[in-house]
Amino acid sequence: EAQVTQNPRYLITVTGKKLTVTCSQNMNHEYMSWYRQDPGLGLRQIYYSMNVEVTDKGDVPEGYKVSRKEKRNFPLILESPSPNQTSLYFCASSLFGGTGLNYEQYFGPGTRLTVT
Amino acid sequence: AQRVTQPEKLLSVFKGAPVELKCNYSYSGSPELFWYVQYSRQRLQLLLRHISRESIKGFTADLNKGETSFHLKKPFAQEEDSAMYYCALIGYGQNFVFGPGTRLSVLP
Repeated sequence: EAQVTQNPRYLITVTGKKLTVTCSQNMNHEYMSWYRQDPGLGLRQIYYSMNVEVTDKGDVPEGYKVSRKEKRNFPLILESPSPNQTSLYFCASSLFGGTGLNYEQYFGPGTRLTVT
Repeated sequence: AQRVTQPEKLLSVFKGAPVELKCNYSYSGSPELFWYVQYSRQRLQLLLRHISRESIKGFTADLNKGETSFHLKKPFAQEEDSAMYYCALIGYGQNFVFGPGTRLSVLP
């Protein structure tokens, strides 16, 4: 089944303890992206990647890192989490380029992160 | 600056009534615009994109460059349309910019 998977789905952690949220897709998509969803603010893009070893900052990259060593995986790293990073995080992937018909994003189920 | 605004946080309509979810954008040039929907307990998914000019689940959206709008419309709302709706565009750097979302509630 074509899908985007994220792990873990729920995570409670403490300030300063490094964590990684994994994201994997099995659709051979070039484009992958991370978002955070906060009430009243909608989805805000954290980082995106147009291909292996190519990553770019979105609107809210501060406090986050990403890597794209393989096409299928795009982990999100919080080196020193803080309470203001408590949020619902979504990973997404899509084909890339062309007329825009390839820009449909497929979203993961979300990871709810709480930083105390 | 690239920006998407959705002025209504919550929109409530009765079943069978017309519905319009508003979306305005700021973007220099020809934007690529989308509507995404998130039903309860489901993943966020694409509803429609302006470039394909299609109608999905009875919804349509027309790009109005003069008013910089991409409002989502449906002539007769159904209860199963209740969901969170996000308008989005692709930015200059191939980034995605989403609006804050509108929660549509269709009352019986």
